Amino acid sequence: NAGVMQNPRHLVRRRGQEARLRCSPMKGHSHVYWYRQLPEEGLKFMVYLQKENIIDESGMPKERFSAEFPKEGPSILRIQQVVRGDSAAYFCASSLTGPSDSTKSYEQYFGPGTRLTVT
Amino acid sequence: AQTVTQSQPEMSVQEAETVTLSCTYDTSESDYYLFWYKQPPSRQMILVIRQEAYKQQNATENRFSVNFQKAAKSFSLKISDSQLGDAAMYFCAPFSNYQLIWGAGTKLIIKP
Repeated sequence: NAGVMQNPRHLVRRRGQEARLRCSPMKGHSHVYWYRQLPEEGLKFMVYLQKENIIDESGMPKERFSAEFPKEGPSILRIQQVVRGDSAAYFCASSLTGPSDSTKSYEQYFGPGTRLTVT
Repeated sequence: AQTVTQSQPEMSVQEAETVTLSCTYDTSESDYYLFWYKQPPSRQMILVIRQEAYKQQNATENRFSVNFQKAAKSFSLKISDSQLGDAAMYFCAPFSNYQLIWGAGTKLIIKP
């Protein structure tokens, strides 16, 4: 029973390039969350998606960042024209149900993260 | 804004002893969940324990237990019989409005 998969584990980009981070949720999970962790800090919520829908993107910067979770394939977090301040660890998590589900099984299971370094 | 405070940046405990990590939070929600996660040096985020706010009984998971005081908005984690493998960053994270709200973490050091 594979856990949440993220790739690549490490990504180096020069300023101005694009970064694409991929996340495959646990089998059967249709809710995906992206978080960012700066050094020596806790995680910060970025976006919550269900299949083909963005539910909450209140933590996502308005420019250069976008996320999708298509019907088929992994969820993608895309950062255009990266800057040094984008250097961080990006974590994806998935859950079996979401806040609107009556079972309330909200546990989020995390992937190993992608460490993005912008040079 | 909802906030989480972990007032202990670092804690150390002798192996086999008991340690308590503190967490306070601020939320306007009445029904919510609270979680403790650990992040070892591998940086993998691992769920340790969860608590439903509507339950008065404190959650327990083997050597890990919580002291949940809803009125005080306090959610501390107790680790009994500490083991070397418990060394990690520990994060308190209430769940509200689709997202986990994270504290800054407490680094737990286990002394052999």
